[in-house]
Amino acid sequence: DGGITQSPKYLFRKEGQNVTLSCEQNLNHDAMYWYRQDPGQGLRLIYYSQIVNDFQKGDIAEGYSVSREKKESFPLTVTSAQKNPTAFYLCASREGGPPETQYFGPGTRLLVL
Amino acid sequence: GQNIDQPTEMTATEGAIVQINCTYQTSGFNGLFWYQQHAGEAPTFLSYNVLDGLEEKGRFSSFLSRSKGYSYLLLKELQMKDSASYLCAVRQTGANNLFFGTGTRLTVIP
Repeated sequence: DGGITQSPKYLFRKEGQNVTLSCEQNLNHDAMYWYRQDPGQGLRLIYYSQIVNDFQKGDIAEGYSVSREKKESFPLTVTSAQKNPTAFYLCASREGGPPETQYFGPGTRLLVL
Repeated sequence: GQNIDQPTEMTATEGAIVQINCTYQTSGFNGLFWYQQHAGEAPTFLSYNVLDGLEEKGRFSSFLSRSKGYSYLLLKELQMKDSASYLCAVRQTGANNLFFGTGTRLTVIP
């Protein structure tokens, strides 16, 4: 089955701790994205990657880091510099041909202890 | 800059028709997407419009007017499972990213 997987479904972070959210896709998509969703707000773009070994900051990149060493994988690290990390994190990948729709993984809910 | 406006909440009756509006301002429009998102789940793709007019997909249709910066999602024969948030997203020319509205939470009542 082709799709996007994210793990874990729930993640707890202690103060001052870095945590990494996993995102894997087997759709052979080049582009991948990380969004953050807070209650009552739309999805906000954290980072995106158009191709392996390349990534760009989105609108709210501060306190986050990413890597793109493989086409299938785009992990997101929430660092201790992110002071308000509690949110629903969504990973997406984009198909190559028109209309270049983005498809989302099931999401990871991050909570701070 | 970009801006998207959608109503925050709507309520409709099972079996009825509901129209969810989306207005946008963007420099260089290159497509509008509608997604459905059930509570606690990921958004799922519903429809895409890049040219003016109506796109129909079963019970769901989406309309676009580029000159007015306006789109709507039309849901017919509403079912209880249609209770969800509906997200409008716009793509700019030359950009590969989407800008999302805050979503419209639809509640279908018996």
